[in-house]
Amino acid sequence: GQNIDQPTEMTATEGAIVQINCTYQTSGFNGLFWYQQHAGEAPTFLSYNVLDGLEEKGRFSSFLSRSKGYSYLLLKELQMKDSASYLCAALDSNYQLIWGAGTKLIIKP
Amino acid sequence: GAVVSQHPSRVICKSGTSVKIECRSLDFQATTMFWYRQFPKQSLMLMATSNEGSKATYEQGVEKDKFLINHASLTLSTLTVTSAHPEDSSFYICSASSGIDYNEQFFGPGTRLTVL
Repeated sequence: GQNIDQPTEMTATEGAIVQINCTYQTSGFNGLFWYQQHAGEAPTFLSYNVLDGLEEKGRFSSFLSRSKGYSYLLLKELQMKDSASYLCAALDSNYQLIWGAGTKLIIKP
Repeated sequence: GAVVSQHPSRVICKSGTSVKIECRSLDFQATTMFWYRQFPKQSLMLMATSNEGSKATYEQGVEKDKFLINHASLTLSTLTVTSAHPEDSSFYICSASSGIDYNEQFFGPGTRLTVL
C-alpha cells in the first residue's frame, strides 16, 4: 500500500532551526511536496523535490533521497508565524498526491 | 502565482438541504480539479478528481450520488453536497492543476460547511 509517515507534532523555539522528517512508500514516484497549512486555512505550497538533494528557498529548505524514500523540511530562524501544520505529499505514478497526516509545529518564544 | 477561489467561504445549513460549492481558477485554465475534505486535526482526504468535460473520478468510499461534481468549463468546478447531514460538516477544499506542469496543485481557500 501507499503510505506517508511524518511526526504528529513538534515544538521549537523562536529563532531556532527545526527539521521535519517524512518517509514515503508509493507506487511509483514523481516528486515530493511540502505544504504549510495554518489552522482553518487551505494549504499553501512550500516546495517540490523530484531529484535527490537539497533545495533552498529563503528560510525554508527541502531535501530528498529517492533511494531511501525520505525527505525533510528544514526551517531556519523560526518565527512565531511559522506555527502551523506542515504536510508532506508524494506524487505517485498516476500523478496522484498521497498525503501525510501533517506535522503540527508549535513555536515557543 | 495562480489563484483559485472558492465560494462560499462558510455555509450553515439545515439537515436535508443541498449545498453547492464553487471552485474557480482565476488566471489559468484548470484541466484538472481536485476536491478534498478535511476533518479537524486530520489531513486532507481526496474525494474526487475531475477533468473538464468528463465525469469525475471518485475515491473509494465517497458516494457519487451524494457529492455531485460538475467541471463544466476550464475555470469552474462545482461540488454539490446533496441532502446534507451533520456528519457532512467539514472543511471542503478544492485545488486546480493546469495539467501542463505536474509540479503543483493550486488550492482554493476552502469552504467551512456546518450542517445543523
